[in-house]
Amino acid sequence: SQQGEEDPQALSIQEGENATMNCSYKTSINNLQWYRQNSGRGLVHLILIRSNEREKHSGRLRVTLDTSKKSSSLLITASRAADTASYFCATDAGGGSEKLVFGKGMKLTVNP
Amino acid sequence: GAVVSQHPSRVICKSGTSVKIECRSLDFQATTMFWYRQFPKKSLMLMATSNEGSKATYEQGVEKDKFLINHASLTLSTLTVTSAHPEDSSFYICSARRNSYEQYFGPGTRLTVT
Repeated sequence: SQQGEEDPQALSIQEGENATMNCSYKTSINNLQWYRQNSGRGLVHLILIRSNEREKHSGRLRVTLDTSKKSSSLLITASRAADTASYFCATDAGGGSEKLVFGKGMKLTVNP
Repeated sequence: GAVVSQHPSRVICKSGTSVKIECRSLDFQATTMFWYRQFPKKSLMLMATSNEGSKATYEQGVEKDKFLINHASLTLSTLTVTSAHPEDSSFYICSARRNSYEQYFGPGTRLTVT
């Protein structure tokens, strides 16, 4: 089974609205990270939340982590057209391997 | 922030030929690099972990003789797709680990095999 499954896979909103993306995973984690990918480009690291943290902020980004439910959410407030991209959560595989397991990702479209 | 480059950004090759993709960490040393493959509108799938000075560790289902990885220095890892076929066409992305938590990703290489 796949870790880090985001739901839904596509979200379209108007500029200024908030966007929430969810991620679920199946095994214990050391940390969970969110990445952004513009079409045909590499990934940009957005934020990392450790397993002992429940919430973290970075600018317009807010990430929550619920280890009891094995889920995380990424909230982008006051969205902008430039936020249009695909967003992925990734969990470390644990055991010291430092491998990241990526979820399916979600395509966010912010309409001007 | 840390910079990771990939070369080439795009490559088109004929079936049966081999293609080498380079991944470089430009401003830090990376003992570990990772190679991912991404199909259109899909997520990243880890192919292998590249360790400087030792053999790469391949994920289940990834043919090590098909995808040759060499991590010759602390700033360079290469992925060679041998005897490429159209089904190898994909977006290949590398990442370099800077510390225990941070990975920095390259811009990706679009491989098209005709």
